[in-house]
This record gives sequence, structure tokens and C-alpha cells, in this order.
Amino acid sequence: SQTIHQWPATLVQPVGSPLSLECTVEGTSNPNLYWYRQAAGRGLQLLFYSVGIGQISSEVPQNLSASRPQDRQFILSSKKLLLSDSGFYLCAWATGASQPQHFGDGTRLSIL
Amino acid sequence: AQSVSQHNHHVILSEAASLELGCNYSYGGTVNLFWYVQYPGQHLQLLLKYFSGDPLVKGIKGFEAEFIKSKFSFNLRKPSVQWSDTAEYFCAVRFLGSGKSTFGDGTTLTVKP
Repeated sequence: SQTIHQWPATLVQPVGSPLSLECTVEGTSNPNLYWYRQAAGRGLQLLFYSVGIGQISSEVPQNLSASRPQDRQFILSSKKLLLSDSGFYLCAWATGASQPQHFGDGTRLSIL
Repeated sequence: AQSVSQHNHHVILSEAASLELGCNYSYGGTVNLFWYVQYPGQHLQLLLKYFSGDPLVKGIKGFEAEFIKSKFSFNLRKPSVQWSDTAEYFCAVRFLGSGKSTFGDGTTLTVKP
């Protein structure tokens, strides 16, 4: 069966520090991969999605970037974190754009 | 721009009451429609989906949703809610030709025992 792993579960970082959140999927090939930020009362904001290795679509211009170095690995990064980057980040995968998405457990990021 | 609107931000019901959560989208073409649920402390999971065919879709735990194309709506219903239905509910729409789904802002449902 397919599983999605997202880590770390929680992270506390100082302003200006770099960020790397990792997401991996097992049990499927060539998944669509997604990074979201979830804010209370504001739903899910799509940050990036990828339909294949090295293919990244950016939805919201901001302080973050994403990379897909391997088929089932999706990384969310920042060179210098801002206070406004605090939030709950979710990774998800799907077998195709029209298919249901399967979500990871999320990372709670706090910027001090 | 394509958008998804969930009318109710917070709904409070007593057990056995009937539930209807609204979801409307902005695009008039072909869509795939989803409802996801997030129970307290758990990850988001699929509740039900609509691709084509019968516009009345049945999902897990007694939930159903009706696709009304003329109203661009996909409302979620349950005849009799339980305390365990307390959760946050998200409507999502994938517009034809898009590589992504657009999510609504979510509705928090609180069911009083």
C-alpha cells in the first residue's frame, strides 16, 4: 500500500535561518506531489505542485521554493525564513491531477 | 480566477440533527469534485468524490453530496450527525486541464452530544 512520510512533525527556527522540509511517498510511481500551507480559518493554500521529476509549478510567489530531486521525494525550502513563514505545512500526493489527494501528517513550523 | 467558496465557516449542531454544508465554485466547465475531512488530531482524508455519472454521490460514514451543475454547487449532506462527526470539512475542485485542485476555506463542524 501507499504511504506518505513528512518530517519533521514540528520545527522551531529563528528568523533568517534556512529551511528544508522533506516529503517522501512509498508504494507508487510518478505521483503528483503537492505542498500546502494550512492556516486556521483560511483553508489550504497550494504553494507548489509537481507532476514529475524536476517539474515544479509555483502557485504563490513568496520566500519559499520546492524541488523534486527524485520521483517520490518533494522538498520545501527557504534560504532565509521570515516570521510570516510560520504555519502548518502539508504534503500530499495523487496518482493524477484529477484523482483524490492523500495527505501527510504535516509539519508545524514556528519562526522565532 | 477559479475559486471555491464554502459558505459556512463554523456550524454547530446537536446530535441527530441534519447537516448540509455548502460548496460553490466559479468555473462553468468540466470539474472533478471532492470533499475531504480532518478529524481532530488526524490528517486530511477523502470523504467522497464526484467525477461523472450520477450526481448524487455517497461517501463514507453516511455522508453524501449532490452535484448541481446549473448551480455550480456540490453540497455535503448527512441526515443525522453524530458527535464523532466533529471535524473540519473541505470542499475541493479540480478544473479541467489543471494540474491541481482548489480548496475552499473549510467549515468547522461541532456536534454537541
